[in-house]
Amino acid sequence: GAVVSQHPSWVICKSGTSVKIECRSLDFQATTMFWYRQFPKQSLMLMATSNEGSKATYEQGVEKDKFLINHASLTLSTLTVTSAHPEDSSFYICSVDRGEQFFGPGTRLTVL
Amino acid sequence: AQSVSQHNHHVILSEAASLELGCNYSYGGTVNLFWYVQYPGQHLQLLLKYFSGDPLVKGIKGFEAEFIKSKFSFNLRKPSVQWSDTAEYFCAVILFSGGYNKLIFGAGTRLAVHP
Repeated sequence: GAVVSQHPSWVICKSGTSVKIECRSLDFQATTMFWYRQFPKQSLMLMATSNEGSKATYEQGVEKDKFLINHASLTLSTLTVTSAHPEDSSFYICSVDRGEQFFGPGTRLTVL
Repeated sequence: AQSVSQHNHHVILSEAASLELGCNYSYGGTVNLFWYVQYPGQHLQLLLKYFSGDPLVKGIKGFEAEFIKSKFSFNLRKPSVQWSDTAEYFCAVILFSGGYNKLIFGAGTRLAVHP
């Protein structure tokens, strides 16, 4: 399998601020990582595919200027929620693809 | 567009009862199908998967699922549930797009097992 960590596990921020979420592949060099968001009592929705050394591929309806993704190394991808608003409050989950997808524990974002 | 439907949003069972969670997908081509489980406070874990071959797939913790191509279904079953099976269960189908495998998830079924 693959071990995936996320940091922080929970973050609370004020409206208008930016928040960075890290996703690390601890035992696998991942050229591709995926970012999902999960609203309460709803399913995971793919936001974007993070590609090491190149631009992320965003799903339809996801604002790339609001959700900045940087995949700077084979073990780290970051998701920055810029100018966060209460409607951005959600559970953000990353995964790596190693034949099958292995998921991180998720980051709960609460925007006040 | 490809989609995954899970029929039951909430299921409540007593221990030792049998479980069947429905999953249907809409995609006409070759599919890879998955069931994931998310225990309270934990991350998603793979229960089982179907790529090809025997349509009856056995997974971890006594779970199994049957792929019925004619019905576009991949229902999850367990003959006797335990309290520890309390979790949320997600059906997913893989979509190969733009060089990447993208997982499309169903809405999830929240299972509560009472002792």
